[in-house]
This record gives sequence, C-alpha cells and structure tokens, in this order.
Amino acid sequence: RKEVEQDPGPFNVPEGATVAFNCTYSNSASQSFFWYRQDCRKEPKLLMSVYSSGNEDGRFTAQLNRASQYISLLIRDSKLSDSATYLCVVSRGSQGNLIFGKGTKLSVKP
Amino acid sequence: EAGVAQSPRYKIIEKRQSVAFWCNPISGHATLYWYQQILGQGPKLLIQFQNNGVVDDSQLPKDRFSAERLKGVDSTLKIQPAKLEDSAVYLCASSHQQGVDEAFFGQGTRLTVV
Repeated sequence: RKEVEQDPGPFNVPEGATVAFNCTYSNSASQSFFWYRQDCRKEPKLLMSVYSSGNEDGRFTAQLNRASQYISLLIRDSKLSDSATYLCVVSRGSQGNLIFGKGTKLSVKP
Repeated sequence: EAGVAQSPRYKIIEKRQSVAFWCNPISGHATLYWYQQILGQGPKLLIQFQNNGVVDDSQLPKDRFSAERLKGVDSTLKIQPAKLEDSAVYLCASSHQQGVDEAFFGQGTRLTVV
C-alpha cells in the first residue's frame, strides 16, 4: 500500500460545482496533514493545513479522520481559477518527512 | 520575506554527464528538503536535512546522487552520472520545524537528460 493515495482524477467540473477530493495514508503515526495546490509548471503551494477538528477557509473545507486514516478536501462553488493539481501531504511519523500523494488534477470549465 | 531560491531554473545535459543544483532556504528554516518530481507524479522525497545533518536519505539513489548542507544553510544536490530517467523537476523546500510546519518550495530546476 502506498504511503499516501489520492483519487486518480482528473476531475472535470463546470463552474459553480462542488467537488471533493479524497486521500488515504498508511502510517498511523503521521502527525501533520496538508493540502497543497500546484499550478501547471509551478511549484506546490500550501492551500491549507488539516486539523483533527476539521477546518474551513472560504470555499474550501478540509476534514481528517484519524481512525480511518482519511483526509478530504471539499471545494464549493468552483471557479475557473481553481483549476490545478491538488496534492495531499502527510508527515511520516516522528521524523516529519513530508510525503506527497500523486495529486488529483481539477479542471473547472465555463 | 525572501522565499526559497534555487538555481539554475533549467538544465539540459547529456546522459553520463554530471550536474549540480543549488538551494538557499528561507532564513531561519532548519529543515531543508530535496524532492524529485517526474511529469504527472507528485513530488518524491530524496533527502531531508535538519540543520546540517541528514534526517532521511532512504530514497536517494546514492550510487549517483549526493547532497550536502555543510553550514546548515544552503544546499547542493549533485547527480553523477546522469541517466535519462533523471529527467524531472528538482524541488527544494524548507520549513521552520520538521513535520509540523508547512514546507515552502522554490521554483525548482527542470532537468532534461538527453
């Protein structure tokens, strides 16, 4: 089993749609969780950290389920500018290596 | 605040040649990461430094790749000799506290091996 697995995608959605990305991780000792966004030919940038209680930032909501080792990202009211690859990132135990999933590509169409 | 600086931005070399990449992390960041990103895949961790010590280099192909961070600040990653499959973007990232804080990435070096 891969350390971090994401929906393979791609996701093609119309503007205004709600889209959800899922991610599972294998190391139960993982401590920190993030969603990063990567635009084409650019470096990854932090979208949001994921907390146990769940957190929301505008149209974006992240959830963590430690028991199931599952992370999700919900994007409401999709915009054209949301088109990017979304990367699930998990810290590997006590050493704190940040391990990236393969990414899920989102294309928002007019 | 200045971001993570990397150079060069692009590099084209022939197989069996050597190449080096340079990274200067954000000031005060103790943790430095080198990632390899092949087209269509997520970044793969090659090596992680905490100050000038190696925390994890389990994914680094040590027969051809080497990295150092001698003074605990900037770092170099070297490939010698390069293979065709080394064509990728090499991303450097830094964070204040390993595994807790977000990592900030440089723009990367796009390597093409022909």
